[in-house]
Amino acid sequence: QSALTQPASVSGSPGQSITISCTGTGSDFAYYNYVSWFQQNPGKAPKLIIYDVSKRPSGISNRFSGSKSGTTASLTISGLQAEDEADYHCCSYVGSNIMMFGGGTKLTVL
Amino acid sequence: QVQLMQSGAEVKEPGSSVKVSCKASGGTFNNYAVTWVRQAPGQGLEWMGGIIPDVITAHYAQKFQGRVTLSADKSTSTGYLELSSLRSEDTAVYYCARGLATIIYHPYYYYYLDVWGEGTTVTVSS
Repeated sequence: QSALTQPASVSGSPGQSITISCTGTGSDFAYYNYVSWFQQNPGKAPKLIIYDVSKRPSGISNRFSGSKSGTTASLTISGLQAEDEADYHCCSYVGSNIMMFGGGTKLTVL
Repeated sequence: QVQLMQSGAEVKEPGSSVKVSCKASGGTFNNYAVTWVRQAPGQGLEWMGGIIPDVITAHYAQKFQGRVTLSADKSTSTGYLELSSLRSEDTAVYYCARGLATIIYHPYYYYYLDVWGEGTTVTVSS
C-alpha cells in the first residue's frame, strides 16, 4: 500500500523561497512522473498549480516550480508573497488506475 | 471555460446512503475522467475513486471498495457519487474534479485534475 508523506507545516518570510516535500513509499510513485500539486485556500476548492511533476497550467505564476527525484517530489515557491499562504497538497498516480494524496502542508508566510 | 456544478448539502442518518451529482457546464466529459475527492473537517484531501465515462470504467480506493459507486451520464455530462452505510466519519466536503484521461497502457489511464467543483457538504448525524 502506497503512502505519500508531506510535512504538516512550513513557513517563510516574504521574498524567500520554500520547498515542500512529498515522499512516496510505493515503487509506482518512483516509476511514474505523474505528480500534481494543489493550492487550497480556506473554504475553497483545491486549485491545480503543478502537474506531471513540473508543468504549470496556464495562468500559474512561474514562482511555483516542481521537481522529483526518486521517491520524493518537491514543490518550490520562490519570492514568497503573503497571498501564497494556503494549504498545499501533492497527488500522484500510484498504479492500477489509483491516485493518492499526501496529507497536506500548511504554508505560513511570516 | 468548463465549470463543475455540484448538488447541494446533505444531512444523513448513520447507516443510510447519499448520492451527490456533478454536472459539467460549458463542457463535456468526453475523453475525461471524473474523480471524487473528500475532505473531512480540518483534514487533508482523500481520493475516493474515478470513472472514465467513455469506457464506463470506475476505479476505487481500497478504503471505499464495496461502499462507493461512481457512475456517469454522458448525455447530460453528469457524474454521480453514491456512498452507502454512512457513519459519522463520512462527514466531509465531497469534491468532484475532471481530468483529461491519457492511456498509459491498456487498461490503465492517468489524468490530472484541472477543474474542480465547489464541493458538497455531507453531514452524517443522528
